[in-house]
Amino acid sequence: DAEITQSPRHKITETGRQVTLACHQTWNHNNMFWYRQDLGHGLRLIHYSYGVQDTNKGEVSDGYSVSRSNTEDLPLTLESAASSQTSVYFCASSERTGGPGELFFGEGSRLTVL
Amino acid sequence: AQSVTQPDIHITVSEGASLELRCNYSYGATPYLFWYVQSPGQGLQLLLKYFSGDTLVQGIKGFEAEFKRSQSSFNLRKPSVHWSDAAEYFCARISGSARQLTFGSGTQLTVLP
Repeated sequence: DAEITQSPRHKITETGRQVTLACHQTWNHNNMFWYRQDLGHGLRLIHYSYGVQDTNKGEVSDGYSVSRSNTEDLPLTLESAASSQTSVYFCASSERTGGPGELFFGEGSRLTVL
Repeated sequence: AQSVTQPDIHITVSEGASLELRCNYSYGATPYLFWYVQSPGQGLQLLLKYFSGDTLVQGIKGFEAEFKRSQSSFNLRKPSVHWSDAAEYFCARISGSARQLTFGSGTQLTVLP
């Protein structure tokens, strides 16, 4: 079955370190998204991509970057981790490019920045 | 900015009771509306969606939602709640030409035996 996987599922790091969260999907979806989930805020969009070499900033993109070198992967990088980036991160993908479509979510990556 | 509001942070119901979770969206072009459910430690799963047509939509797990343009609402309902329905529920929207989902802050559902 096609799926979307995130790694690592849990990560503890120190302030100032670079961290990369991986996201891999096997649906061959063009659209991929990174969200962070924090209590009281729901899910907020960090970055998104509509295809290879395409990346866009979301609502809370400061301190994060993404790259899309192939269809399957959209890694999220925290260049210099800050305590405010302690959160649960969700990757998602969708198929439809011309309109709204269902998002399929990974199981999340819990990041703690000490 | 176009937004989604879920007024209830936490709702508690008894097993077998009916359930209604509220969702309101801000004014904008015809919204595409979704309800997702998140079980502890899991990602989000789509329950149902509204794009156009019949304003009462049926979803998985016995859930339904009704789009009411006059009230800017898209409330989620279930006639009889099961203990396994305990989870967090998110309402979300896509508007106009945008292809990103905007989520509400979520409603945590507790089901009492």
